[in-house]
Amino acid sequence: QKEVEQNSGPLSVPEGAIASLNCTYSDRGSQSFFWYRQYSGKSPELIMSIYSNGDKEDGRFTAQLNKASQYVSLLIRDSQPSDSATYLCAVKNTGNQFYFGTGTSLTVIP
Amino acid sequence: NAGVMQNPRHLVRRRGQEARLRCSPMKGHSHVYWYRQLPEEGLKFMVYLQKENIIDESGMPKERFSAEFPKEGPSILRIQQVVRGDSAAYFCASSPSLALWTDGYTFGSGTRLTVV
Repeated sequence: QKEVEQNSGPLSVPEGAIASLNCTYSDRGSQSFFWYRQYSGKSPELIMSIYSNGDKEDGRFTAQLNKASQYVSLLIRDSQPSDSATYLCAVKNTGNQFYFGTGTSLTVIP
Repeated sequence: NAGVMQNPRHLVRRRGQEARLRCSPMKGHSHVYWYRQLPEEGLKFMVYLQKENIIDESGMPKERFSAEFPKEGPSILRIQQVVRGDSAAYFCASSPSLALWTDGYTFGSGTRLTVV
């Protein structure tokens, strides 16, 4: 079983819609969770982090964490074409080690 | 305040040659992490180093790959006798010696290795 699993997509949403990205993880002891955005040919860029159960909002982005179900999600409201990228979920385990999912490709259609 | 610096950005090697990838951490950071990203795949952990020490190399292939982080100078990821399957993007990240469990990584711009 992979440490972190994501639906690879591709996920397509129309401009202005809500994009929902999901991630599950296997290590129950994991403490911190991150979402990275990666444009084609570029390096991953940290956009959100979450540590406690519930929601965390930052502008158009909302991260959701449910430790009991071992899943993390990212909602992007009012999606823009510039949000088109691959979104990587990352989990930091008790050993301070990062594990990344394979990423979900998002396309926002104008 | 420069971020994580990697060079070269692009590297082309023929099969059997050696590839050397460099990573200079952010100022004040003494921990370096190397990741590999194959086409259409996620980031895979390779190795975690402190100055002059390898802390975790569990993700590093046992043969042909080595890494170092000397007291002075950048961290080096070395791939000997490269094969086509080594073609990938190699990313480096760094953290301070007392990184909090809440800290995320900041990645360098990566080195894209192409083996021909």
